[in-house]
Parts: sequence; structure tokens; C-alpha cells
Amino acid sequence: DAGVIQSPRHEVTEMGQEVTLRCKPISGHDYLFWYRQTMMRGLELLIYFNNNVPIDDSGMPEDRFSAKMPNASFSTLKIQPSEPRDSAVYFCASSLRGSSYEQYFGPGTRLTVT
Amino acid sequence: KNQVEQSPQSLIILEGKNCTLQCNYTVSPFSNLRWYKQDTGRGPVSLTIMTFSENTKSNGRYTATLDADTKQSSLHITASQLSDSASYICVVSGDSGTYKYIFGTGTRLKVLA
Repeated sequence: DAGVIQSPRHEVTEMGQEVTLRCKPISGHDYLFWYRQTMMRGLELLIYFNNNVPIDDSGMPEDRFSAKMPNASFSTLKIQPSEPRDSAVYFCASSLRGSSYEQYFGPGTRLTVT
Repeated sequence: KNQVEQSPQSLIILEGKNCTLQCNYTVSPFSNLRWYKQDTGRGPVSLTIMTFSENTKSNGRYTATLDADTKQSSLHITASQLSDSASYICVVSGDSGTYKYIFGTGTRLKVLA
């Protein structure tokens, strides 16, 4: 298996622009997670899905952030409008229930908002 | 407040030496504790996971310990290698069956030749 795939790997955008991050989980995994990592705050869970349904979005910082999972093999995290403080590395991870909830992380998308 | 604190923030050691990283948590109730290794520019990779009843677990040269009474965990790295240079993140789950993980900010380890 190719593991969790994220795109793009790097994104540079100007403040106010819309940003869309993409994730393809490991085939067969029924949980998908979006995380944000910064030097100051470390890793933070933004939202997670089970069988394509959002279960907990309490970590989403504000209404500018939204996430969707239209099918079992694809998810997006959208920021609109983007702000400089959104600059971070965004990770997607997937998991298969029953495997000790082990999460497998993608390589991340480094977002820079200028 | 549920928190996970790691120490030291950073550490530099010579290749071949041993080192121990610390993790203290205040998460309650407690379900499990994980240690992740994160190489620069990569996503975290799980090293070990321990539940309440386990007090030690090994993965090659990595050995994690857990004291649920004092709410402390340590990760011991034996005979360090250059490839051990990475950030090590302690993660605690407060509820069984959920994904409400509390992450520490990590210890950045540098192994020098």
C-alpha cells in the first residue's frame, strides 16, 4: 500500500485566498483525521471522520475551516479566507478500528500564508 | 486541564550513547499512551503503545515505560544511531474507544557522529 497520500506537499498563498488540502487514506481504513502542527502548539486534532461522516470537529479553529469526505478514498480540508496565522503543517492520518486505533500519518502539507 | 508535558525540549548526544526522554501527563481518565517518532519533513510514526496495565514495552532499541500512578512515561533509546535524530512525541488518550488524543510538544533529539 502507498500509505496516506496528501497533496500538495507545499502551498504558498496570499492572505484572503482559498486553500484546499487533499488527502487519500489507506485503502480499507474507516477513520480519517486532520491535524495541524506548529512549533508553538505541536500537533492538534482538527476533525475526524468515521465511514465518511464527521464525528468530532471541535478542534476546527473557526468557521473559515471546513472539511469534507465525499467518499472512503478522499477528503479535503478547506480554508477560506486564509490568514497568516494559518501557516502550519497539516497532516492527514487514517486508521482501522480494531487495530489498537493505530493511526498512520501522511507526509503533510506545509502551508504558508503571506 | 488535560495536558502532556515532555522534557527535555531538545537533546544532543553522541552516537552510541543512551538517552531517556520524559513525558508527564495529567489526562484523566487514562486509556493509553503512545510514543511517536517524527523525522524532519515527515509525518509521525508510532513506536509503542501502552495501556493502563502495561508498564514497559520495547520496539528494538526503543523501550517505553509507564507509571500510571505517578502519570509518567519515559522513552529510553539504547546505543543511539544517527538515524535516531528526530522529534519524539508523547500522546495520551483520555477515553477508551475515542480519538481524543492529547499531544505533547515533543523532544527534539540530535545524534552526532
